[in-house]
Amino acid sequence: GESVGLHLPTLSVQEGDNSIINCAYSNSASDYFIWYKQESGKGPQFIIDIRSNMDKRQGQRVTVLLNKTVKHLSLQIAATQPGDSAVYFCAENGAEYGNKLVFGAGTILRVKS
Amino acid sequence: DAGVTQSPTHLIKTRGQHVTLRCSPISGHKSVSWYQQVLGQGPQFIFQYYEKEERGRGNFPDRFSARQFPNYSSELNVNALLLGDSALYLCASSLASGSSLQFFGPGTRLTVL
Repeated sequence: GESVGLHLPTLSVQEGDNSIINCAYSNSASDYFIWYKQESGKGPQFIIDIRSNMDKRQGQRVTVLLNKTVKHLSLQIAATQPGDSAVYFCAENGAEYGNKLVFGAGTILRVKS
Repeated sequence: DAGVTQSPTHLIKTRGQHVTLRCSPISGHKSVSWYQQVLGQGPQFIFQYYEKEERGRGNFPDRFSARQFPNYSSELNVNALLLGDSALYLCASSLASGSSLQFFGPGTRLTVL
């Protein structure tokens, strides 16, 4: 079935620490993955994406790791800041899903000052 | 550059009424997707349109319909509203259909009383 799940529904970190948000996906045929950040009352905001022919991609303060063997995706945020507090979603796409993104339930990230 | 825009921002309707939500994609993007996000969950795919043709449909009843105009803007229509239709309706635009990055608008918050 369609399932993109997150291990931890809520993550609390101290300002300045690194954050790791995990995501398990069920469709081994998925070939494109996106991390979105959603703040209260706003639409999802693109953070970083990765295709299945890669296992790591870095952006500004963020890194996405893809482990296709165990169907696991993670988002690492370096030096977490209060402005990083939000709900984070991973989403997957692939031929089996047609033209839609399949989202997980989300992880709440709380940054303590 | 303007991102994805949606109107209205908020809407309150009563059961049985119909509603029309509007979306303008990022300039140059030809594909628009609609998602429903119930509080506390990830977005669920409703429709995707590309070049004015429906390219994907999620598991939603026929009360939900959409269309795309020559300027690539889109409307989502929902008839015979139910209490369970209360949600944040998100529009996302992308250059093309398929496995491509989708950028989301701020959403329309629909409340059905």
